[in-house]
Amino acid sequence: NAGVMQNPRHLVRRRGQEARLRCSPMKGHSHVYWYRQLPEEGLKFMVYLQKENIIDESGMPKERFSAEFPKEGPSILRIQQVVRGDSAAYFCASSPMAPGQTYEQYFGPGTRLTVT
Amino acid sequence: DAKTTQPPSMDCAEGRAANLPCNHSTISGNEYVYWYRQIHSQGPQYIIHGLKNNETNEMASLIITEDRKSSTLILPHATLRDTAVYYCIVSLTNSGYALNFGKGTSLLVTP
Repeated sequence: NAGVMQNPRHLVRRRGQEARLRCSPMKGHSHVYWYRQLPEEGLKFMVYLQKENIIDESGMPKERFSAEFPKEGPSILRIQQVVRGDSAAYFCASSPMAPGQTYEQYFGPGTRLTVT
Repeated sequence: DAKTTQPPSMDCAEGRAANLPCNHSTISGNEYVYWYRQIHSQGPQYIIHGLKNNETNEMASLIITEDRKSSTLILPHATLRDTAVYYCIVSLTNSGYALNFGKGTSLLVTP
């Protein structure tokens, strides 16, 4: 069973461009979470999605950031008009059941975004 | 979520037990203690979690004090592959997914 897959693993964007990060959860997992890790800091929760629904986006910046998890295909984290402060590692995690039914999340290898 | 305090770094000899402490003095009654680790450049890996009782699995043991204000993660026989940053996280039961990792403890296992 393949683990959580993220691509690209490394992404370089110039200021003002758009960044699209993709996450394919583990097979059978319908709950996806996105986290951001700024340099020299721990991971911070951004958003929790189920298929076609955003459940909790309390950690998501109010502007320029959006996330989706369509019925078919991977979850996408989209950052519009990137700035240097967006440079970070973005991790996706998935779980087979809803929070409260399971507490274990399986993390992907991350996408390292560099904004030049 | 309650704040946690961990030493920034620790060393452990290969084959010995690694005991990683965590203080969470403001933990509330329904908050769980989670431990994750992150090996360099990889995604975090779940280790163990608990509420009140001590827990053990194939990776580690979690010892939570009776007053729940601190806990210790024990890796019984550390190997070089256990070198990683270990995060102690406290989170509510119904939002155990919204984990915010602090700076953790960087554990170096030496030959």
